[in-house]
Amino acid sequence: GDSVTQMEGPVTLSEEAFLTINCTYTATGYPSLFWYVQYPGEGLQLLLKATKADDKGSNKGFEATYRKETTSFHLEKGSVQVSDSAVYFCALSELSGYSTLTFGKGTMLLVSP
Amino acid sequence: EPEVTQTPSHQVTQMGQEVILRCVPISNHLYFYWYRQILGQKVEFLVSFYNNEISEKSEIFDDQFSVERPDGSNFTLKIRSTKLEDSAMYFCASSARAASTDTQYFGPGTRLTVL
Repeated sequence: GDSVTQMEGPVTLSEEAFLTINCTYTATGYPSLFWYVQYPGEGLQLLLKATKADDKGSNKGFEATYRKETTSFHLEKGSVQVSDSAVYFCALSELSGYSTLTFGKGTMLLVSP
Repeated sequence: EPEVTQTPSHQVTQMGQEVILRCVPISNHLYFYWYRQILGQKVEFLVSFYNNEISEKSEIFDDQFSVERPDGSNFTLKIRSTKLEDSAMYFCASSARAASTDTQYFGPGTRLTVL
């Protein structure tokens, strides 16, 4: 079945550092790919998405490119802020069916001043 | 901005008791979902609901679970006889359509603790 693998956290960075959170997936079809973020005490919020190969999703300085050849969707940001501290979830949704999301385990990011 | 709301934020119950978790999806959305996250584990799909019936469910969603849309705004998850292993964060989500490209909007979650 479908699965999503994310790098283990926590990822600890200083403000203005470069961020990469790795995400790879296994899917039978052609999924859409998502990054969700969960700030402390809040629900899951969509950060960005990409729906086909080579698409780049971007939002709030975060980017991720849908790489079909490596089945990856790594999240990057050039300069993190303390306010980016949160848990980041990579997820996929298959083309068929009722768009059920399959999530990775989540990666906690801690940014210090 | 419209948002999904969930109540209560935290529910503590005794093993064997029934619980009902409540959600108010975004008002013009037609597709509704429940997910759960056991502490330290992945967010897992439980069930999707459209047009007053279950459209898809996972193997987790056994006979102890049921969902209902009792009126035009609420969407509920009932666990008939809770077990210790039901302790988790339960997330409700909604979307306007069911396409894989569509965004699901999540609520803040209900933390269920079964003692």
